[in-house]
Amino acid sequence: GAVVSQHPSRVICKSGTSVKIECRSLDFQATTMFWYRQFPKQSLMLMATSNEGSKATYEQGVEKDKFLINHASLTLSTLTVTSAHPEDSSFYICSASPPSVVPPYSGNTIYFGEGSWLTVV
Amino acid sequence: EDKVVQSPLSLVVHEGDTVTLNCSYEVTNFRSLLWYKQEKKAPTFLFMLTSSGIEKKSGRLSSILDKKELFSILNITATQTGDSAVYLCAGRGSSGTYKYIFGTGTRLKVLA
Repeated sequence: GAVVSQHPSRVICKSGTSVKIECRSLDFQATTMFWYRQFPKQSLMLMATSNEGSKATYEQGVEKDKFLINHASLTLSTLTVTSAHPEDSSFYICSASPPSVVPPYSGNTIYFGEGSWLTVV
Repeated sequence: EDKVVQSPLSLVVHEGDTVTLNCSYEVTNFRSLLWYKQEKKAPTFLFMLTSSGIEKKSGRLSSILDKKELFSILNITATQTGDSAVYLCAGRGSSGTYKYIFGTGTRLKVLA
C-alpha cells in the first residue's frame, strides 16, 4: 500500500486563486517532508524542506510567499500555491522518509506521494 | 554546489538488449545514492547505495556505486517494453535530513 499519500491528484484553478495540496505519511511520523516540482520531461526540482513545528526551508529561487508550506503535524504537510498563474502549472510531488528501518520500508529512503497535477487557467 | 548528472539523457533500445545508465555526483559529505523509476506518475524506489563496490540486485536490474570515482551505474538486462520509463538517481549529503539532489534523469524507451 501507499506509504505517502498526496491529494488532490489533479486540480484546475483560475488564475489569481490559491490552491492547497496535502501530503500525508501513512505508516510513520515524518518530522521532515520535501516538496518537489517537475516540469514535463524534466527532473525533480527540490522546492523546500517542510519541518514539523517550524518554518520551512526554501531552496534558492523559490518564493516563500508564493509557495506556502505548513507542517502542522507529524503526518501532514501542505503546500499552498498562492495567487496562482499559468506558469505555476506543473507536477508537484512530496516525499517523506521513515525515521528508521521499519519493515518493509527501508530507512534513509525517500518515498514519494502520488503527485499533484496543477493546471492554472 | 551539489549536483548530480545522468547520462545518456535518452536511450532507445530493442527488447532483449542490455542497457547501462550512468550517474555521476558531486555531493558534499556524500551519504547515499538512490535510483528511482518514473513512469507517468510518482517515482518508485529501486535501490539505495551507500557502500562502494557492493552490487545491489533485483531481478534484471542491478546497480553499483564507486565512491572513489563518484559515480553509479544502473544495469538492466534482457530489457522489456515495461522497462520504458525515466530513471532518476539522487544523491544525499550529510545535511542531517533526507535532502536528496536529483539528476536530470535518463529516458529509456524499449521497442518491441
